[in-house]
Amino acid sequence: EAQVTQNPRYLITVTGKKLTVTCSQNMNHEYMSWYRQDPGLGLRQIYYSMNVEVTDKGDVPEGYKVSRKEKRNFPLILESPSPNQTSLYFCASSATGGYSNQPQHFGDGTRLSIL
Amino acid sequence: DAKTTQPPSMDCAEGRAANLPCNHSTISGNEYVYWYRQIHSQGPQYIIHGLKNNETNEMASLIITEDRKSSTLILPHATLRDTAVYYCIVRAPRGATNKLIFGTGTLLAVQP
Repeated sequence: EAQVTQNPRYLITVTGKKLTVTCSQNMNHEYMSWYRQDPGLGLRQIYYSMNVEVTDKGDVPEGYKVSRKEKRNFPLILESPSPNQTSLYFCASSATGGYSNQPQHFGDGTRLSIL
Repeated sequence: DAKTTQPPSMDCAEGRAANLPCNHSTISGNEYVYWYRQIHSQGPQYIIHGLKNNETNEMASLIITEDRKSSTLILPHATLRDTAVYYCIVRAPRGATNKLIFGTGTLLAVQP
């Protein structure tokens, strides 16, 4: 089944403790992206990747890192999490990025709580 | 990307067709109409998209008016599991970010 898989689905942790949220897609998609969703603010893009080893900042990249060493994986790294990063996070992928009409497919989300 | 207008909420009886409207009167010639939905706190789910022709897939049909200023998403036989917020997004294939901007959408409540 074609899907975008995120792990963990839920995480409660403390300020400053490094964490990684994994994202994997099995559709051989070139483009991957991370969003966060907060009440009243909608979905905001954190980082995106057009292909392997090609990543760029979205609208709210501060406090986050990403890597794209393999086509299928696009982990989101919080090196020193803070309470304002408490949010619902979604990973998405599409066949191609940028100048494309291809739709994006989303994972089920990761709910992070930073205490 | 063109602005879209959707009703904030709609009801539909289970088993009946759900017709969700979207106005996009400022749409440009190269902008596509996309529909996504989000069941509470789950990931947005892609439904369908089109440029100017009507489209149908296993989930829904998309009807775009001839002047492209509005469209309707049709769920032919709504079930309780179709209760969700439905988003109509108009965007052109441009820009490396490919980011999606979701508006407030339509909360569709399917009633038993």
